[in-house]
Parts: sequence; structure tokens; C-alpha cells
Amino acid sequence: ETGVTQSPTHLIKTRGQQVTLRCSSQSGHNTVSWYQQALGQGPQFIFQYYREEENGRGNFPPRFSGLQFPNYSSELNVNALELDDSALYLCASSFVPGRTQYFGPGTRLLVL
Amino acid sequence: LAKTTQPISMDSYEGQEVNITCSHNNIATNDYITWYQQFPSQGPRFIIQGYKTKVTNEVASLFIPADRKSSTLSLPRVSLSDTAVYYCLVGGGSMDSNYQLIWGAGTKLIIKP
Repeated sequence: ETGVTQSPTHLIKTRGQQVTLRCSSQSGHNTVSWYQQALGQGPQFIFQYYREEENGRGNFPPRFSGLQFPNYSSELNVNALELDDSALYLCASSFVPGRTQYFGPGTRLLVL
Repeated sequence: LAKTTQPISMDSYEGQEVNITCSHNNIATNDYITWYQQFPSQGPRFIIQGYKTKVTNEVASLFIPADRKSSTLSLPRVSLSDTAVYYCLVGGGSMDSNYQLIWGAGTKLIIKP
């Protein structure tokens, strides 16, 4: 059984650019959640996808958007990057919404 | 939304038992209590989950009193590699509850030789 994987591991962008982060869920999991984690803080919920539909959203602006594909992998897109978007972006999958979440290794994004 | 309170940091020594307590006064009837461990620049790792009384697995025990307003994560015989941040969360009892999980700053546990 493969765990949650994320790509890329690290990324450097400049202000105003757009970025796409990718996540493959754990085998058998149809729910993916995305989190942003700033240095020294706990993860903050961005949104969740369940069976290709957005199933909940945290307090993030519309320039944060996502997709879930038929194989339950997922993308996080961030437009018009700002310096404060620099963070560790975490993807977590679960069997269904509400069940235990298992996290990937994260993508470290640096916006200059 | 249930919110948790944990100590910001704790120190201990190799070979000791470490207990980290989390308070969650507003826990809902359907909520589970889940603990994660996180090393720097890595994703959180699931440690243990429980609903009431005591749960034990190969790495930790979780003690939950009858009123469920608090819980204690117990790590037996810690080693230097247990130095990490530990998060306590409540929720997950229903299909729409994952996104209601609120992560605090966690407890930074430092194990000394």
C-alpha cells in the first residue's frame, strides 16, 4: 500500500506568478485535504475534495483553487503569489471525509 | 468547533515516560481525539486515535477520562528521535468534520540525552 506523495518537494517562485502543487492519495482513499503551514505554526485548512467535488473550504481567498481527478489525486493551484504564501503545503488523504487523515511529506514553497 | 489547549513545550530525558495533556472542553459527542507527530519540514504522522477510556498501540497510549474534556498522550521510554512537535485534535466524527479540525501550535517536545 503506497502512502501519500507530493510533488515537487521544493519550489521557488516570484511574486505574481502562479504555482501548481500535486498530490497522490493513499491507495483506497477518495478524500484529499490541503493545508498551509507557516513556520512555527500548526497546519491551516485550505480545502477538501471528496469524489472530485469540493467538500469544504477554510478561510483562504479564491486565488487558492483545487482539483481532484477520477483517480483521486489532486492539485492545489495558487494564482498571483504573494510573499506570505511562502509555507509548507501539506496534502492529506482519508478513506472518506471524517476519517483519520494521513499526510504526505509536503511541498516547501518560497515566494520571492 | 472544538478547540484544544496544549503546553507549548516540554523537556524530558531518554528512557523516561512522557505524558502530554490536551484539554478540549467543548468536545462534541461525535468527536474523536487524534494525536499527530511532526518533525521539521515533514508532514504530520498519525500516532493514535481514541474516543473514550484507553487506547494503546505499538508507539503510544491515549488516556481519556469519562467526561472526555481532556486527554493524555503517553510515550513510553522516549528516545532522542521522539523530539518533535505533537498535535492534539478533536473532530472527525462526521462526514463534514475533517475541515472543521483546528490545529493549534502543538507541543514541542525536546528529549535530552
